[in-house]
Amino acid sequence: AQSVTQLGSHVSVSEGALVLLRCNYSSSVPPYLFWYVQYPNQGLQLLLKYTSAATLVKGINGFEAEFKKSETSFHLTKPSAHMSDAAEYFCALGITGGGNKLTFGTGTQLKVEL
Amino acid sequence: NAGVTQTPKFRILKIGQSMTLQCAQDMNHNYMYWYRQDPGMGLKLIYYSVGAGITDKGEVPNGYNVSRSTTEDFPLRLELAAPSQTSVYFCASSYSTALEGGYTFGSGTRLTVV
Repeated sequence: AQSVTQLGSHVSVSEGALVLLRCNYSSSVPPYLFWYVQYPNQGLQLLLKYTSAATLVKGINGFEAEFKKSETSFHLTKPSAHMSDAAEYFCALGITGGGNKLTFGTGTQLKVEL
Repeated sequence: NAGVTQTPKFRILKIGQSMTLQCAQDMNHNYMYWYRQDPGMGLKLIYYSVGAGITDKGEVPNGYNVSRSTTEDFPLRLELAAPSQTSVYFCASSYSTALEGGYTFGSGTRLTVV
């Protein structure tokens, strides 16, 4: 069975500081991995995705993530946080076939302080 | 292009009442999903559909029913509402052969059962 673990339900950074949100996965087959962002009272928006091409993936709003098979990780980073980055972030794992279902982590709430 | 549309956005139900959450997509996606989101729990899959006339249970199907008579619509039915069904419900859709694209989410329905 597949699973996703997000370490840290709440992360707080200063504006301009590095953002690092952690995601580890467990899968018996090569996975597709995604990061979604959710702003208050909104749906989920795709931030970036890993689909077995490049291991370093760039997304919207300056975010990127690196797929590390040896560490079963897919951590999300951004060099310099902005106030507008405050949101909840979800890591998700997908396996093709059987409905292409996504398994989500429990989410990380990012707070950006002045 | 509307994407995925969910109605209503908010609803308060009394225990034992029933209701249908509506979901429609205009992207000609074959696959559609219903998730519920609870604080600190991430998103849990309730039901999914791989095409008109085909539905299957997800991780937390008890207390819910779905139907898929057309490609565009995927309503979720609550027959006897219980307080445990208080949650935010998200509908999503995707292409059947392209998990690489991830899902497109609706903006959610916030349901309170009292």
